[in-house]
Amino acid sequence: EAEVAQSPRYKITEKSQAVAFWCDPISGHATLYWYRQILGQGPELLVQFQDESVVDDSQLPKDRFSAERLKGVDSTLKIQPAELGDSAMYLCASSSGLRGVETQYFGPGTRLLVL
Amino acid sequence: AQKVTQAQTEISVVEKEDVTLDCVYETRDTTYYLFWYKQPPSGELVFLIRRNSFDEQNEISGRYSWNFQKSTSSFNFTITASQVVDSAVYFCALLRSGGGADGLTFGKGTHLIIQP
Repeated sequence: EAEVAQSPRYKITEKSQAVAFWCDPISGHATLYWYRQILGQGPELLVQFQDESVVDDSQLPKDRFSAERLKGVDSTLKIQPAELGDSAMYLCASSSGLRGVETQYFGPGTRLLVL
Repeated sequence: AQKVTQAQTEISVVEKEDVTLDCVYETRDTTYYLFWYKQPPSGELVFLIRRNSFDEQNEISGRYSWNFQKSTSSFNFTITASQVVDSAVYFCALLRSGGGADGLTFGKGTHLIIQP
């Protein structure tokens, strides 16, 4: 069964350092999402890509976060510099076909701890 | 604005009991989709079901069943004869249909504990 891949699974860093997360969506899925999940909360959307284009990044803290999907396949989410409040689970999801009506399938996530 | 409320923060039952997880949503859209996801301790969100706003027919899949009622804006999830492997955090989510951003709006989740 096709899956969304993410790496690393766990990341510990010190504040002010740079971190990067990688996501490889299910093959053929045009839409890719990055969500952030704070402990005890539901995931919240950070950024959405359709192929290589950003559809929505209104909730992405652009002063420190950046995301790219250069070839419309895999994607990287970067934080620089990391802050204590960035400690969370970062989830990647992908969906196929028509936007807005397809199910989003999630990867295993990256757990980030900022010290 | 869209909102999903899962009022039950944590539920604990003994194995083989039936349990219902509540989900209430708010949206001004006439077309929308509702989802349930399961998040085991490993962290991955596992898709369980999707329902569109025009389909109020209840659904059963094995021990799982879902009750969608537009009149009360609820989409409740019942597990019959619960098992220890059902222990997880369960999220209800809402997706608006149409153009623009398609991010899911999640509730805060219900932590389900099935005791042996």
